[in-house]
Amino acid sequence: QSVLTQPPSVSAAPGQRVTISCSGSTSNIGNNYVSWYQHLPGTAPKLIISDNNRRPSGIPDRFSGSKSGTSATLDITGLQTGDEGDYYCGSWDTNLSSALFGGGTKVTVL
Amino acid sequence: QMQLQESGPGLVKPSETLSLTCAVSGYSITIGYYWGWIRQPPGKGLEWVGSVYHSGTTYYNPSLMSRVSISINTSKNQFSLRLNSMTAADTAVYFCARQGDGSYYDYWGQGTLVTVSS
Repeated sequence: QSVLTQPPSVSAAPGQRVTISCSGSTSNIGNNYVSWYQHLPGTAPKLIISDNNRRPSGIPDRFSGSKSGTSATLDITGLQTGDEGDYYCGSWDTNLSSALFGGGTKVTVL
Repeated sequence: QMQLQESGPGLVKPSETLSLTCAVSGYSITIGYYWGWIRQPPGKGLEWVGSVYHSGTTYYNPSLMSRVSISINTSKNQFSLRLNSMTAADTAVYFCARQGDGSYYDYWGQGTLVTVSS
């Protein structure tokens, strides 16, 4: 059971929007940055959001992140078939002195 | 362009010690940043193993702390993972990655599958 909680799956039709939540606590999300990763089968995870809402170079603005209190959200708009895969949130936990990942959310394009 | 490449055995026997190395090219690990190991068991999510700074400072996953050691070799521009007393539960794809200031991982190796089996 992950300290950071994500829904197991979300789905939507092409062109639509999906929202993935990541719930934590004051020792992690509440007082530290959140990052998001896209993990497609057979590839290395790819950083798509750092520092709560920063997009690395080359990441389209269809991907956006936000944080409020002890929860964070990843929004994907204009959903494409190439977006199908697993998405993970990550943060640092001050009490554990440990990096954390959420359990992952599978995105399906209908 | 920075690249990371894991190397090590693909098969380890139960109770033995796993040793993996991550070679970094296109960037000097002495400049800064933490360098970490993350694993993914088959069919499961990502699990952070631990990180090391170029000074040698380390942080480990509390659930693995008694069995794990991460070291850095600045002269070879690489860092290494040792995990002892391996069991089937340690079977996973092991990734090495660079850890940014906000505890995000921006550069990843392609991963190496380690299977624990006799």
